[in-house]
Amino acid sequence: NAGVTQTPKFRVLKTGQSMTLLCAQDMNHEYMYWYRQDPGMGLRLIHYSVGEGTTAKGEVPDGYNVSRLKKQNFLLGLESAAPSQTSVYFCASSNLLEFSGGAVEQFFGPGTRLTVL
Amino acid sequence: RKEVEQDPGPFNVPEGATVAFNCTYSNSASQSFFWYRQDCRKEPKLLMSVYSSGNEDGRFTAQLNRASQYISLLIRDSKLSDSATYLCVVSRSAYNTDKLIFGTGTRLQVFP
Repeated sequence: NAGVTQTPKFRVLKTGQSMTLLCAQDMNHEYMYWYRQDPGMGLRLIHYSVGEGTTAKGEVPDGYNVSRLKKQNFLLGLESAAPSQTSVYFCASSNLLEFSGGAVEQFFGPGTRLTVL
Repeated sequence: RKEVEQDPGPFNVPEGATVAFNCTYSNSASQSFFWYRQDCRKEPKLLMSVYSSGNEDGRFTAQLNRASQYISLLIRDSKLSDSATYLCVVSRSAYNTDKLIFGTGTRLQVFP
């Protein structure tokens, strides 16, 4: 049981290049998320998905696209990378809400360190 | 003003000390509260949920004060392995897990 995995772990891009970050989870979770973490900013939600084939915008979606073609995978794409997208990207997943409606634990992947020059 | 605010620290404490962190949140409609732990260059991991009645897990005690809109984490008998950044996390809504708001974290360094 690997939990949440992310590839690649590190990447350096030039401005204008594109890339896709892959997130995979083997916990059969319905919900998946992409966050970015920057110094002094905390984790910020980019996009999320509540199930296969569905995606929604989070707090900072501009410049990113996502797809959830399979339940276990959530892809984050950068079509034209910019230096402002230099960050650490975390994928997370969680199960359905508790019956009481309370938020549940999110499980995070190890992160991808992206530098855009 | 940030929706979730924490003192960034660092808190430097000797082994065996008791240390407390506070976190304030601005949205009175917040429903769920958590403390996550993040080791250097690692992913965040859930430390504990925070309930209105307060809850304890071994050396860790979390409390919630809804009236004053703050959450606290108390660590007793600090260990070297407790050195990490502690993230205060608040859910805006009880019915949407997409609304987790993370604080920037409080860094704890425990020294021998």
